[in-house]
Amino acid sequence: EDQVTQSPEALRLQEGESSSLNCSYTVSGLRGLFWYRQDPGKGPEFLFTLYSAGEEKEKERLKATLTKKESFLHITAPKPEDSATYLCASFAEGYQKVTFGTGTKLQVIP
Amino acid sequence: DTEVTQTPKHLVMGMTNKKSLKCEQHMGHRAMYWYKQKAKKPPELMFVYSYEKLSINESVPSRFSPECPNSSLLNLHLHALQPEDSALYLCASSQARGFSYEQYFGPGTRLTVT
Repeated sequence: EDQVTQSPEALRLQEGESSSLNCSYTVSGLRGLFWYRQDPGKGPEFLFTLYSAGEEKEKERLKATLTKKESFLHITAPKPEDSATYLCASFAEGYQKVTFGTGTKLQVIP
Repeated sequence: DTEVTQTPKHLVMGMTNKKSLKCEQHMGHRAMYWYKQKAKKPPELMFVYSYEKLSINESVPSRFSPECPNSSLLNLHLHALQPEDSALYLCASSQARGFSYEQYFGPGTRLTVT
């Protein structure tokens, strides 16, 4: 069975304190990974798609990387507005069925 | 424009009611999805429509009935729900063919079953 595991479950950072979130996966026929941000009571907001090991993508203070077993979301000098739950999701053959991880809840303290 | 809209934002219904959730997108996507999300859990796939045909049904109880009347609209008809069906219901859309398959989500409908 496909599995996507995120760690840590929760992370509390001071403003400006950089860190990384981890997403490890065991997915048969993996085609890629999505990263999403979700604010409380709202729908997930698309951030990145990573298709192959070694790929990196950046957006403002966020950088996502992918290896053969895991993906990292690096947050550089975070601000309070970066506080949210970050979800990774794998997709395999057929592309439409994604497997979500349980998310990392990030809190950035001013 | 990457907007997916959902109505209503909130819905309270009794166990004997019939109601519908609506979703609309104008991105030209031909795949549309319904997800259920409980508090502090990830979204859980319910249904997928591809080119207006049901392609995935994740063994969802028959009290949930999806409908895709055209390529821009997706409905979820609700009947005889249980209190445990209370959740955030999310609609998403994506390309059905090509290179990019990222799903764009709507804001969700917060459903409470009393």
